[in-house]
Amino acid sequence: SQQGEEDPQALSIQEGENATMNCSYKTSINNLQWYRQNSGRGLVHLILIRSNEREKHSGRLRVTLDTSKKSSSLLITASRAADTASYFCATDYGNNRLAFGKGNQVVVIP
Amino acid sequence: DAGVIQSPRHEVTEMGQEVTLRCKPISGHNSLFWYRQTMMRGLELLIYFNNNVPIDDSGMPEDRFSAKMPNASFSTLKIQPSEPRDSAVYFCASSSGLAGKYNEQFFGPGTRLTVL
Repeated sequence: SQQGEEDPQALSIQEGENATMNCSYKTSINNLQWYRQNSGRGLVHLILIRSNEREKHSGRLRVTLDTSKKSSSLLITASRAADTASYFCATDYGNNRLAFGKGNQVVVIP
Repeated sequence: DAGVIQSPRHEVTEMGQEVTLRCKPISGHNSLFWYRQTMMRGLELLIYFNNNVPIDDSGMPEDRFSAKMPNASFSTLKIQPSEPRDSAVYFCASSSGLAGKYNEQFFGPGTRLTVL
């Protein structure tokens, strides 16, 4: 499978703490994207990092990409209860399709 | 824009019945994707259209599944006959589909299908 795989798959943290999750993939990519899914909802795009980028920020989100290790990490700083959701990495191999990982459940305890 | 619209939001049917799921992509988007999400298998791509043409249907599980996109603003996913193992949440997503661009996908709210 060429799907991204997130690690850890479940994370429980206190509000205000940082949450870090990782994603690995198997072959060269065009870009990597992170999505969030709240319970009972569709996925929402959070951030995209291109294959020639190493780090990207968006608000409280920080994404890194290491193409030599074929891995990415998503950091959520100063977490809030509203950040409770599942987070998915998705890899774009350049064919306009995304391969999604199985998701990473994050619970932020108020 | 209202985003990607899916209907119905919930569908409960009995085994053997025909089920039709509907999707209206974001206006101006050229690519449309149908996904199925289950706890066991995660998010699976079923079929992908570009400019209303099916490009890859290798994810469609069986001949019982079919999808159409008669125009740029409407797509259907049909299951006939339905089986209990088809129970899942079905998502439709669209993207601009522009060649050479980095295309994020916009997801609809999903249809939760239960086949009894």
